[in-house]
Amino acid sequence: AQKVTQAQTEISVVEKEDVTLDCVYETRDTTYYLFWYKQPPSGELVFLIRRNSFDEQNEISGRYSWNFQKSTSSFNFTITASQVVDSAVYFCALSNEETSGSRLTFGEGTQLTVNP
Amino acid sequence: DAGITQSPRHKVTETGTPVTLRCHQTENHRYMYWYRQDPGHGLRLIHYSYGVKDTDKGEVSDGYSVSRSKTEDFLLTLESATSSQTSVYFCAIRLRLAGTNEQFFGPGTRLTVL
Repeated sequence: AQKVTQAQTEISVVEKEDVTLDCVYETRDTTYYLFWYKQPPSGELVFLIRRNSFDEQNEISGRYSWNFQKSTSSFNFTITASQVVDSAVYFCALSNEETSGSRLTFGEGTQLTVNP
Repeated sequence: DAGITQSPRHKVTETGTPVTLRCHQTENHRYMYWYRQDPGHGLRLIHYSYGVKDTDKGEVSDGYSVSRSKTEDFLLTLESATSSQTSVYFCAIRLRLAGTNEQFFGPGTRLTVL
């Protein structure tokens, strides 16, 4: 069985602070994919990043960075110098090739509020 | 933009009535999915399709059926809606690129069952 845990239900920061969203996953598969999605107040789901299980390189995209550690089954997401527009619900998700047509297993999401 | 539309975008219905939600895609993707989003649960898979007339159940399929008679359309039907099916429903497609498994989502349908 697959499971994704986002232990932080809500996080509130002040603009320009750095913030890290935690994601811990469970899977028995050796090949799998990890994702982060953003859901702003408007409600759509926006794809942010995919990471393959065989690629543990960290990634940086502007103010966003992701830290993938297989040893701790974690795929954490850091926003540097947060902005009000970063306020959203962020979901971590997991999939593999074999389960239900590669369905996504989602965490419960972390509500991030960035205050001016 | 993955070319996914959902209709209707909002619907209010009464318990016991049938409801059909439509997902339409324009880019010939083989895999399509229906998820529901509820507070405290993230998104959960209802059904998915891997081709025309090829569908299978997800983790929360009870009370739902699906059909896919054309590549571009994936329909989700609630045969007899219940209040527990009040939710936001998202359709998704999976990219054809090997080794990615990336899914892109439609705008969602907010369904309220009174």
